[in-house]
Amino acid sequence: EVQLVESGGGLVQPGRSLRLSCAASGFTFDQYAMHWVRQVPGKGLEWVSGISWNSDNVGYADSVKGRFTVSRDNAKNSLYLHMNSLRAEDTALYYCVKDLWGEMVVFDSWGQGTLVTVSS
Amino acid sequence: EIVLTQSPGTLSLSPGERATLSCRASRIVTSSYLAWYQQKPGQPPRLLFYGASSRASGIPDRFSGSGSGTDFTLTISRVEPEDFAVYYCQQFSSLPRTFGQGTKVEIK
Repeated sequence: EVQLVESGGGLVQPGRSLRLSCAASGFTFDQYAMHWVRQVPGKGLEWVSGISWNSDNVGYADSVKGRFTVSRDNAKNSLYLHMNSLRAEDTALYYCVKDLWGEMVVFDSWGQGTLVTVSS
Repeated sequence: EIVLTQSPGTLSLSPGERATLSCRASRIVTSSYLAWYQQKPGQPPRLLFYGASSRASGIPDRFSGSGSGTDFTLTISRVEPEDFAVYYCQQFSSLPRTFGQGTKVEIK
């Protein structure tokens, strides 16, 4: 069974940094692309970032480009999101998501999310 | 980026009725690279379809997907009580990946 467990969320002041982590299990991690998708409670979904199986290809939403960096450690079955210069509008539930394939395509399995709140 | 517009915003139906959800793209979605998701309250989304009409694992056949170009449709032939949820479309034709704003299927 695919399991994705996010961690690292919390309350952070505007302009500060935060690193989210996702521990993956139940599948061959290094064969699949991974993503971060966020959702403001009660609102819609926003793709934040994705990374291919071998880290050769990465992508970002325009709203986070230049501030967020996605990375993965296939040896540790882990996905990361480094978030800098955080803004109030980054407040959301951040989901770690497994792709159906090795490149950034569709969102197959989802974690339960970690809540990030940006506020002074 | 490709903007996806879903309609209607809310669909009020009785169990057993047919649901037709629309997703329109601001430009052509190459090779029907469109997916549909279902989200119930307090849960993460679940993949229903990818490639416009390829059903994901475990999805009942009362759900069907269709469309091409800029117009796509998710149909539920007979809505079951467990189908009341919010449905999102998502394109994987180009970066950044984008979602529609969602259609809520609620009990009438």
